[in-house]
Amino acid sequence: NAGVTQTPKFQVLKTGQSMTLQCAQDMNHNSMYWYRQDPGMGLRLIYYSASEGTTDKGEVPNGYNVSRLNKREFSLRLESAAPSQTSVYFCASSEAPGAYNEQFFGPGTRLTVL
Amino acid sequence: AQSVTQLDSQVPVFEEAPVELRCNYSSSVSVYLFWYVQYPNQGLQLLLKYLSGSTLVKGINGFEAEFNKSQTSFHLRKPSVHISDTAEYFCAVSANSGGSNYKLTFGKGTLLTVNP
Repeated sequence: NAGVTQTPKFQVLKTGQSMTLQCAQDMNHNSMYWYRQDPGMGLRLIYYSASEGTTDKGEVPNGYNVSRLNKREFSLRLESAAPSQTSVYFCASSEAPGAYNEQFFGPGTRLTVL
Repeated sequence: AQSVTQLDSQVPVFEEAPVELRCNYSSSVSVYLFWYVQYPNQGLQLLLKYLSGSTLVKGINGFEAEFNKSQTSFHLRKPSVHISDTAEYFCAVSANSGGSNYKLTFGKGTLLTVNP
């Protein structure tokens, strides 16, 4: 099992460009999450999907959109990138909704917006 | 709402020494508590978690943590560290409100550096 995979690993964008970060999991998990990690800030939840067909905002959703394409895939889109979105983005999944469930993380996407 | 404070941003120790990484939380309801570890250039992985029951929780790689409700703490300990334990450690908390709560709040992290 690959677990949680993310593409790309690295990306450099110019201000105003758009891009989609891809995430897939092969553990048959119901719930998926997108976080951003900034130095000294820990991880902050951007969006989550409790189950296929549902998505909800997390702590820092502004400037992002998500799509739960199917049970395996959960993508994060930046419509018009800004330098404040320079960060490391992590996708995670858990077997079921409920924060008591262990979350499994992907390796991250390091995004720089110039 | 809940919050997490990791009291040390960096902890340098020598190999085979004991270590304690401190975590305090704040919540108006009962909580679930977690420690995650992030090795360089990798994602996070779960070290251990407290959901209920025994307040002393054992995790992977010889780590353990103790839930102290009166002091609202969940400190992580290891009696003897190895070079390979060098990583960033995150404490996280979630409100115990059944399956309807999905939000995991992370602390800012503690960088553990084990020196030879």
